[in-house]
Amino acid sequence: DAGVIQSPRHEVTEMGQEVTLRCKPISGHNSLFWYRQTMMRGLELLIYFNNNVPIDDSGMPEDRFSAKMPNASFSTLKIQPSEPRDSAVYFCASTVLAVGSYEQYFGPGTRLTVT
Amino acid sequence: GENVEQHPSTLSVQEGDSAVIKCTYSDSASNYFPWYKQELGKGPQLIIDIRSNVGEKKDQRIAVTLNKTAKHFSLHITETQPEDSAVYFCAAKETSYDKVIFGPGTSLSVIP
Repeated sequence: DAGVIQSPRHEVTEMGQEVTLRCKPISGHNSLFWYRQTMMRGLELLIYFNNNVPIDDSGMPEDRFSAKMPNASFSTLKIQPSEPRDSAVYFCASTVLAVGSYEQYFGPGTRLTVT
Repeated sequence: GENVEQHPSTLSVQEGDSAVIKCTYSDSASNYFPWYKQELGKGPQLIIDIRSNVGEKKDQRIAVTLNKTAKHFSLHITETQPEDSAVYFCAAKETSYDKVIFGPGTSLSVIP
C-alpha cells in the first residue's frame, strides 16, 4: 500500500483565499484524523471521522475551517477565508479502529503558508 | 479532558549513550500510551506502545515503562545512533474515546 496520501505537499496562498487540503487514507482503514502542527501549539487534533461520519470536531479552531469525508477513500479540509495564523503543517492520519488496534498512520503532511 | 506533558523538550546525547524521555498524563482513565517518532519533513510514525495492564515493554533498543499510580510513562533508547535523531511524541488515549492526546514533543539529537 502507498500509505496515506496528502495533496498538495506545499501550498502558498494569500490571506483571504480559500484553501483545500486533500487526503486519501489507507485502503481498509475506517477512521481518519486531521491534525495541525505548529511550533507554538505542537500537534493538535482538529477533527476525526469514523466510517465517514464526523465524531469529534471540537479541535476545529473556528467556522473558517470545515472538513468532509464523502467516502471511505477521500477527505478534505477547507479553510475559507485563510489567515496568516493558519500557516502550519497539516497532517492526515488513518487507522482501523478495532479492539486493541489504535496505531495511526500519518501522511507526509501539507505545509501551508498564508501571506 | 486529558493533558499530556513531556520532558525534556530538547535532548542531546553522544552516540552510544542512552536517552530517556518522560511523560505524565492527567486522566486516570487513559489506558493506551503510544510513542511516535517524527523525522524531518515526515509525518509521525509509531515506534512502540504500551497498555495499562503492562508495566514495561521492550523492542530491541527501545523500551517503554508505565507507572499507572503516578501517571508517568517513559521512553528509553539504548545504544543511540545518529539515525535516532528526531522529534519524539508521547501520547495517551482514554478508554471511552478514539482519539489520542499528544505531548509537546522532545527533539533528540545524537552526536556522532
